[in-house]
Amino acid sequence: DAKTTQPPSMDCAEGRAANLPCNHSTISGNEYVYWYRQIHSQGPQYIIHGLKNNETNEMASLIITEDRKSSTLILPHATLRDTAVYYCIGQNFVFGPGTRLSVLP
Amino acid sequence: NAGVTQTPKFRVLKTGQSMTLLCAQDMNHEYMYWYRQDPGMGLRLIHYSVGEGTTAKGEVPDGYNVSRLKKQNFLLGLESAAPSQTSVYFCASSYLKGTYNEQFFGPGTRLTVL
Repeated sequence: DAKTTQPPSMDCAEGRAANLPCNHSTISGNEYVYWYRQIHSQGPQYIIHGLKNNETNEMASLIITEDRKSSTLILPHATLRDTAVYYCIGQNFVFGPGTRLSVLP
Repeated sequence: NAGVTQTPKFRVLKTGQSMTLLCAQDMNHEYMYWYRQDPGMGLRLIHYSVGEGTTAKGEVPDGYNVSRLKKQNFLLGLESAAPSQTSVYFCASSYLKGTYNEQFFGPGTRLTVL
């Protein structure tokens, strides 16, 4: 099962790309990486997931390294509403403290 | 389609009291989960269920019991509440397709034990 490591906090200017890294060096070969975010005290919201290839949806892009030991979530044009705690998790449903992203005007 | 709902939204208990938190989902998901989240922390898995009538322990199961009598409901019980159980409780559900398992979360129950 993957143990994930994320920086505790990041700032990003409004309108710029936010790049959130995650280290998951213990991930197994068929284990998906999921990204969620939590705004204020609401329930976590699914953003995107990936296995080996890079993924993109209407919310974000996910870049996974070829060795699958790390990934980066990209919010291409961050808005103030993207201020939240972002979690990178594996299949074991262990949510670490995540990265608190602050989008600044 | 309500998704995942939780009852109640808020509750205050005295030490030693008991209560049950209800989670309901209308997405026909097989898997359901209970997490707790303490201030400034990530979510910690308490118990989960992979189907009706089955439950399993998560990371922090002590002091809690669960039941999954119906597929759409997952109950979390506190038999004798303690102040250390003051937390926000989140329920989630998911379906498993191969190794893909996206979780859908409820809005949370804020519990205070005095």
